[in-house]
Amino acid sequence: RKEVEQDPGPFNVPEGATVAFNCTYSNSASQSFFWYRQDCRKEPKLLMSVYSSGNEDGRFTAQLNRASQYISLLIRDSKLSDSATYLCVVLDSNYQLIWGAGTKLIIKP
Amino acid sequence: EPEVTQTPSHQVTQMGQEVILRCVPISNHLYFYWYRQILGQKVEFLVSFYNNEISEKSEIFDDQFSVERPDGSNFTLKIRSTKLEDSAMYFCASSEELGAKDEQFFGPGTRLTVL
Repeated sequence: RKEVEQDPGPFNVPEGATVAFNCTYSNSASQSFFWYRQDCRKEPKLLMSVYSSGNEDGRFTAQLNRASQYISLLIRDSKLSDSATYLCVVLDSNYQLIWGAGTKLIIKP
Repeated sequence: EPEVTQTPSHQVTQMGQEVILRCVPISNHLYFYWYRQILGQKVEFLVSFYNNEISEKSEIFDDQFSVERPDGSNFTLKIRSTKLEDSAMYFCASSEELGAKDEQFFGPGTRLTVL
């Protein structure tokens, strides 16, 4: 069964703090990995792709561990505008995006 | 900035009725997708479409569903006889290529409510 698992949260975090999410996937043949952000009742938007070597985009750092089949997202210096649901997404061998249920993040002033 | 558009933003229908959800993908994109998201649940892949035919479809995409690209710009999802459990957000997406690193751009979604 193809699955992507995430802690649903919510994570309640004070503004300026660092927060990390993890995600595990079951299909070892998965090709590519992404973090999407979804605001309430809006469409998902790509936050960043996740590369084997790890990658950083400003305050966001993504890591991939293929051996353990997990992906992480680190947000530093969190802002109020970071409040959203973060979706872990995996591209399988049929080029289908398999979605996690998301982790809800609430940044408090 | 080019974007994917979808109409209508909200569709209310009676159970058993047919609905057509419309999408205009980004103009130079070649791959098109439909996803659905039941309220509070995961985004689920329905179907991908390329070169005027279905590339992949999920087990959700049964005989009640069909997709079409009737002209050079629109991409539609038809549900022939809607059921209560079809109530969801339906997102259309498009991408330039089919591949690991190519971003899928999502439309704002159509909220389908089946009564």
